[in-house]
Amino acid sequence: DAKTTQPNSMESNEEEPVHLPCNHSTISGTDYIHWYRQLPSQGPEYVIHGLTSNVNNRMASLAIAEDRKSSTLILHRATLRDAAVYYCILTYNNNDMRFGAGTRLTVKP
Amino acid sequence: DTEVTQTPKHLVMGMTNKKSLKCEQHMGHRAMYWYKQKAKKPPELMFVYSYEKLSINESVPSRFSPECPNSSLLNLHLHALQPEDSALYLCASSRGTPEQFFGPGTRLTVL
Repeated sequence: DAKTTQPNSMESNEEEPVHLPCNHSTISGTDYIHWYRQLPSQGPEYVIHGLTSNVNNRMASLAIAEDRKSSTLILHRATLRDAAVYYCILTYNNNDMRFGAGTRLTVKP
Repeated sequence: DTEVTQTPKHLVMGMTNKKSLKCEQHMGHRAMYWYKQKAKKPPELMFVYSYEKLSINESVPSRFSPECPNSSLLNLHLHALQPEDSALYLCASSRGTPEQFFGPGTRLTVL
């Protein structure tokens, strides 16, 4: 399985943008890049996914490098509710999600 | 109904007990999943059911026995567990798209 590398933790200020990086230098051509987050005391929650092009949805944006060896999840205006562990996952099989260690995001008021 | 429900919320059991965890969804999803999550660790995939058939079993010990009686229901039968099996057990469902919907989990303690 292709591996992802994320920083253990990041901090941001409320109402500022947050850029969460993910490195995946061994990604294969069929791997999609998925992001989930897990708020405290809750199950994980889907955020966004993409293959090659940048993607936007109501929660976030996903910027994918041209060589696909890295990607960045962008939260445009962080709120206190965005404090969570963010997981970057690679898979070609939607039924086979393997969570890595993730990045713990702290949002300061 | 857009949620996955799990019962019970908490479970304490002895090593000789037999218990079951239950997961239910009414979104018409045909894929259902069990994950195990230890404290401060990421979720680990245990089992995947697709169209009520077991499609992925991540070499989980036989003391964990999954069952999918119908497309809305997923059970995890527990027998002769060890204290190291104490964890949060998460259920999820999906249409087979990248978006999996997770339940709140059952927090299991094995004494």
